[in-house]
Amino acid sequence: GQNIDQPTEMTATEGAIVQINCTYQTSGFNGLFWYQQHAGEAPTFLSYNVLDGLEEKGRFSSFLSRSKGYSYLLLKELQMKDSASYLCAVRERTNAGKSTFGDGTTLTVKP
Amino acid sequence: DTGVSQDPRHKITKRGQNVTFRCDPISEHNRLYWYRQTLGQGPEFLTYFQNEAQLEKSRLLSDRFSAERPKGSFSTLEIQRTEQGDSAMYLCASSSGTGGGYGYTFGSGTRLTVV
Repeated sequence: GQNIDQPTEMTATEGAIVQINCTYQTSGFNGLFWYQQHAGEAPTFLSYNVLDGLEEKGRFSSFLSRSKGYSYLLLKELQMKDSASYLCAVRERTNAGKSTFGDGTTLTVKP
Repeated sequence: DTGVSQDPRHKITKRGQNVTFRCDPISEHNRLYWYRQTLGQGPEFLTYFQNEAQLEKSRLLSDRFSAERPKGSFSTLEIQRTEQGDSAMYLCASSSGTGGGYGYTFGSGTRLTVV
């Protein structure tokens, strides 16, 4: 099975940098995803890590350490529109390849 | 292709009634997943199809729930004898594989309210 932990809420200031952490325990790991979900909307894919290290994509970066069962999502130059829930999801190494999601971190960006 | 479509967007039903939701995935995607999400929680896996075959079902999926994907295209999720605890957002997602960065593409979801 999978167990995923991430902080429930975070607050940051417009223009700043914020790091959202995710720790996981899994019986079979085949990649970690970050999704963004605005209130009342469906999640949208942000990033993917399967090897250790940092993946950068514009203002967003994601880091993975498989040995530590740890990932973080780094958001730079925060904008008001970045206020959303950020979901960490771990994909299983099975035929289904389904992902198990954390409960999300609600980020509020203040002016 | 306009992405993953779900219908209806909202459904209000009385306890005990049956409801059916539809999902049209991205046409090239052979993998289709149903998830359920309640307020403040992450999506919970319900079931998975590869083409028309239902290959995995969660233990969360009681015998009141059934899903189909005839011909490997659209999928339906039916809930019989709805209960208040079934109130949630039902999300459909499709994917083209399990290797590489094949994340899910989610539909907009069907929000079910059981009164």
